[in-house]
Parts: sequence; C-alpha cells; structure tokens
Amino acid sequence: DAEITQSPRHKITETGRQVTLACHQTWNHNNMFWYRQDLGHGLRLIHYSYGVQDTNKGEVSDGYSVSRSNTEDLPLTLESAASSQTSVYFCASSVQGALTDTQYFGPGTRLTVL
Amino acid sequence: AQSVTQLGSHVSVSEGALVLLRCNYSSSVPPYLFWYVQYPNQGLQLLLKYTTGATLVKGINGFEAEFKKSETSFHLTKPSAHMSDAAEYFCAVRRGGGGSQGNLIFGKGTKLSVKP
Repeated sequence: DAEITQSPRHKITETGRQVTLACHQTWNHNNMFWYRQDLGHGLRLIHYSYGVQDTNKGEVSDGYSVSRSNTEDLPLTLESAASSQTSVYFCASSVQGALTDTQYFGPGTRLTVL
Repeated sequence: AQSVTQLGSHVSVSEGALVLLRCNYSSSVPPYLFWYVQYPNQGLQLLLKYTTGATLVKGINGFEAEFKKSETSFHLTKPSAHMSDAAEYFCAVRRGGGGSQGNLIFGKGTKLSVKP
C-alpha cells in the first residue's frame, strides 16, 4: 500500500546542531508539506512544495529549510537547532491541482532540543 | 484572509451522549472545510470534508458536519459517543487564492474525552 513515512520517530539533539528530518511518500503526490504541532497552537505550516525543485515558506519558516530533488522526498533541515524548535513535526502530501483534495499525514517526529 | 476558530480546547462527554465540536471560519473566498482526527501518538487522518453541494457531510466513524454559510460554521457531531472517539479533532479551511491555494489553515484543536 502507498504510504507516507517519517524518520526518525524520536530525536534528541543539542542546541546549535544541524538536524534533518526525513519524509518519504509513495503516492507520487506532487504536493508535500511540513507542519509543527505545539500545545495551544495546533498545526502551523513550516514549508511546502508543489513539485520537484519547488519550495515555499510557510508561516513559521525561520530556522528551517527544505529541498525537493525528487517527487517522493521532502527532508526538513534545522540549520542550528534551538530549544524553541522542540516540537512534534508532521509531514503531509496531496495530489497537485485539486483544491479539495485530502492531505495525508505521516506519523510524526518528536524532536527535543536540549 | 482565511482563519479557523475552534470553541473549547477540551470537551468531555459520557459514552452514548451526543458529541458536538464547534468550528467557525472566516474566508474571503468560497470555503473548503475539513475535519481531521488525531489519535494519541499518531498523525492526522481525514474525517470528512465540505467542498460544494450538499451542506450536510457524512464522514467516517459515524461523524457528520453541517456547513452553515449564514453562521460561518462547520460544527462536527456524532449522535452517540464511543470510548474509541477519544482523540483530538482539528478543523481546517483551505487557503484560497494565489500560489498557496493548496494549503490548509488549522484550528488549534479540541481534545475530546469520553467517560464510561
């Protein structure tokens, strides 16, 4: 079955380190998204991509970057991790060109920055 | 600009009771509205969505929601709560216009507890 996976599921790192969170989907979806989930804030969009070589900033993009070299993967990089980036991160994907289409979510990565 | 407000961060019901989770939206374009559910330690999954047409939308697990344009609401209901419904529920609206039209704006979520 097609799916969307995230790795690692849990990560502990130290302030100042670079961290990369992986997201891989096998639906061949063109659209991919990264969100962070924090208590009291719901889900907030970090970055998104509508296709290979396309990346865009979301509402909370400072300190994060993404690159899209193929359809299946959208890795999220924290350039220099900060304690404020302790959160649960979700990747999602959807079909291109359909405003009504469903976003499918991965299981999440819990990141702790000490 | 679009936005979503979920009234009540926590809702508690008894098993067998009516579930009502409230969502109000604002949108400068015809809204596309979604309810997602998140079970503990899992990602979000779609419960139901409204795009166009029938304003009463039926979803999975016995949930339904009614789009009321005059009230700018999209409340989620279930006639009889089950213990397995305990989860966090998110209302979302599709961002309209421009290059970001595929994106969702989420409410802050409502955590549903079901008492035996």
